[in-house]
Amino acid sequence: GEDVEQSLFLSVREGDSSVINCTYTDSSSTYLYWYKQEPGAGLQLLTYIFSNMDMKQDQRLTVLLNKKDKHLSLRIADTQTGDSAIYFCAESIGDYKLSFGAGTTVTVRA
Amino acid sequence: ETGVTQSPTHLIKTRGQQVTLRCSSQSGHNTVSWYQQALGQGPQFIFQYYREEENGRGNFPPRFSGLQFPNYSSELNVNALELDDSALYLCASSLSSAKNIQYFGAGTRLSVL
Repeated sequence: GEDVEQSLFLSVREGDSSVINCTYTDSSSTYLYWYKQEPGAGLQLLTYIFSNMDMKQDQRLTVLLNKKDKHLSLRIADTQTGDSAIYFCAESIGDYKLSFGAGTTVTVRA
Repeated sequence: ETGVTQSPTHLIKTRGQQVTLRCSSQSGHNTVSWYQQALGQGPQFIFQYYREEENGRGNFPPRFSGLQFPNYSSELNVNALELDDSALYLCASSLSSAKNIQYFGAGTRLSVL
């Protein structure tokens, strides 16, 4: 089945780390993704991880994948006000389609 | 900036009308996918085009149709518009060798009154 679930809201203090969690259902997904959407804008591909990897780090972003539990997380180090946005977790279905969660709204407070 | 451009940015239509949305893919990308994002929700896959043919389709009725042109640009057509078609329509482009590494445009906001 295709069902991606993530918590709806996260509030974090500027300078702290943010952790956004996601669960997915399709064990055959080749890729798992994190996209960012700012108000009134399209989706920005932040990072993606191949399903045979456990971790991927890219500057302030760290992605952890637990394939056994079908759990994906995104950690943002030293969260800044510009990180306030909606973050979408997604899984690949087949070789052509992405299935998205409903998004986590991250609010960074001073 | 992904290089994926969509037009128009906003559109207002009335119920029953038809609409055409356009997308130009990132340079070098020959595969285009379309998604519908209703307010407060994640994007839902409509269909994908590769080599000017539909390469996969989501759970959308036939009144949602598309085209891809030799220059890889694409159109999404929606006939007999319904109020529930009001949404942000997103286009994404990718390489044929990595069809599900998709880069999105800014979208077209469609309002159906």
